[in-house]
Amino acid sequence: TQLLEQSPQFLSIQEGENLTVYCNSSSVFSSLQWYRQEPGEGPVLLVTVVTGGEVKKLKRLTFQFGDARKDSSLHITAAQPGDTGLYLCAGDWGYQKVTFGTGTKLQVIP
Amino acid sequence: SQTIHQWPATLVQPVGSPLSLECTVEGTSNPNLYWYRQAAGRGLQLLFYSVGIGQISSEVPQNLSASRPQDRQFILSSKKLLLSDSGFYLCAWDRGVYEQYFGPGTRLTVT
Repeated sequence: TQLLEQSPQFLSIQEGENLTVYCNSSSVFSSLQWYRQEPGEGPVLLVTVVTGGEVKKLKRLTFQFGDARKDSSLHITAAQPGDTGLYLCAGDWGYQKVTFGTGTKLQVIP
Repeated sequence: SQTIHQWPATLVQPVGSPLSLECTVEGTSNPNLYWYRQAAGRGLQLLFYSVGIGQISSEVPQNLSASRPQDRQFILSSKKLLLSDSGFYLCAWDRGVYEQYFGPGTRLTVT
């Protein structure tokens, strides 16, 4: 079983602060996705990273895939209340299976 | 554009009762379909996936079953619900490139 551990599990910060969420595994993934989920809704895809060392930016969000394709990070600059939600990483290792991380619950306080 | 529907949105059922959750996808053909269960504020547990009509793979032994009677329809069922079946059930689809698109979910409470 492929496992993806996310840290921290919970994060409560003030509006305007920066934060980083980590997603780690002992397995190599072909690609890795990041999703954001709001309460009572399904996760929404934010980004996919495929190449080791790849960095992608989505406005104030920066996503990085580790060189060995076993880990990833999500950095948010100047967090806003609208960033509040559950952040999930997900890695694919073939065979029609995607493993989801344990989740990071982010609260941004105005 | 593609859309995915799930119903019902919420469900309260007594222990031992049957279950049927439905998921349909519009705007795409031959999608891969998935059922996940999510505990409060946590990650997703894959329950079933399907790559085509009548083709179901089970990930977790349990009293749940899934069926895919049509290309864009995926059904999650149980003959007798347990308390431990409570949770948030999500249906998702993809076209084989692992970027999944999720439905709005069904909140199931077994009492």
